[in-house]
Amino acid sequence: DGGITQSPKYLFRKEGQNVTLSCEQNLNHDAMYWYRQDPGQGLRLIYYSQIVNDFQKGDIAEGYSVSREKKESFPLTVTSAQKNPTAFYLCASSPRGDIQYFGAGTRLSVL
Amino acid sequence: EDQVTQSPEALRLQEGESSSLNCSYTVSGLRGLFWYRQDPGKGPEFLFTLYSAGEEKEKERLKATLTKKESFLHITAPKPEDSATYLCAVQANGANSKLTFGKGITLSVRP
Repeated sequence: DGGITQSPKYLFRKEGQNVTLSCEQNLNHDAMYWYRQDPGQGLRLIYYSQIVNDFQKGDIAEGYSVSREKKESFPLTVTSAQKNPTAFYLCASSPRGDIQYFGAGTRLSVL
Repeated sequence: EDQVTQSPEALRLQEGESSSLNCSYTVSGLRGLFWYRQDPGKGPEFLFTLYSAGEEKEKERLKATLTKKESFLHITAPKPEDSATYLCAVQANGANSKLTFGKGITLSVRP
């Protein structure tokens, strides 16, 4: 089945720890995105990549890092510099840079 | 700066009671307007894209319309399974594929 797979579904972070969220797609889409969703808030763009080996900061990139070494994969690292990481994280991909298709999300909590 | 405002924040309907959800936007040249449906704890599911004023699209009980300043998502004779959060997003010309999302409208349909 074609789609976007995010893992894990739930993740817990300890103080001072970096954690990595996985996003894999087998749709052959060029563009990939990471969003953060907080209760009562819209989706806010963290990072996006329009092509392999290239990515750009979104509106709230501080405390996050990404890589795009393969077309299929766009992992997001939440670093210890992100002081309020508790949120629902969504990964998306797009074939032409317009319609975005989303994964099921990862819920990150702080222990 | 592109902005999207959705109203009302929440809407409760009786099964069969038709209504409309509003999405007002300001953008420096609209490339596309997108509607998504999001169920609790899941990723958004793409519904419609509208590209120019006067355009309409339909899917089952949902119909999306677009003017130069706003979009409406009309729900005809809703059923309880239509209960979800509906997200609106815009993409500006030359936006490097970025979407700007509204905060969403939570729809509850009572049997």
